[in-house]
Amino acid sequence: QVQLQESGPGVVKPSQTLSLTCTVSGDSIVSDIYYWSWLRQPAGKGLEWIGRVYTSGDTKYASSLKNRVTISVDTARNQFSLKMTSVTAADAAVYFCATFRGSGSPFDNWGQGTAVTVSS
Amino acid sequence: DIQMTQSPSSLSASEGDRVTITCRASQSISTHVNWYQQKRGKAPKVLIYAASGLQSGVPSRFSGSGSGTYFTLSISSLQPEDFATYYCQQSFNSPYTFGQGTKLEIK
Repeated sequence: QVQLQESGPGVVKPSQTLSLTCTVSGDSIVSDIYYWSWLRQPAGKGLEWIGRVYTSGDTKYASSLKNRVTISVDTARNQFSLKMTSVTAADAAVYFCATFRGSGSPFDNWGQGTAVTVSS
Repeated sequence: DIQMTQSPSSLSASEGDRVTITCRASQSISTHVNWYQQKRGKAPKVLIYAASGLQSGVPSRFSGSGSGTYFTLSISSLQPEDFATYYCQQSFNSPYTFGQGTKLEIK
């Protein structure tokens, strides 16, 4: 069973870059079974998919975020990461990392989530 | 992007009741719908995949149906631990979008 753990700063200043890491245990990040995803949930609101990376490095992003987001894999550390530039208050949320097995599949493994506040 | 419209947004019910939540997609998505349960402060947990598949370990009182643009999640006999928020999600193509959620509360 894959286990995921998010980490990163809890507070980011407006206009700066948010960087989060998801550490994978129980399987290898180069496994060809999983797509590695980031999602977020503003306080009291619903879920938003941010994007995903495959072991090959292939990425897909949500249309509304693709100009500000990069998701990448670090095979040496068995991690994948999210970078989001030019953050605003609208980016404050709980950020989750999760796995899915391709189109048609659910997000079947989730991290516990990490809360990010945007404040100067 | 495919829009997922979920209803109702909130629902009050009693232990032992049967409830149904609906989700409509803005275009046909075959059976590529998944349902999640989320409790306060926790990550979502998948209940139903591919519209009607029961995820391993999920009680059989949960069931899903539908295809095309109309989908339902039913809970046959509510238990205390079922009071939570439920989301549908389409996995037909990216971006993978979610319904706005249904908060199930105790009457």
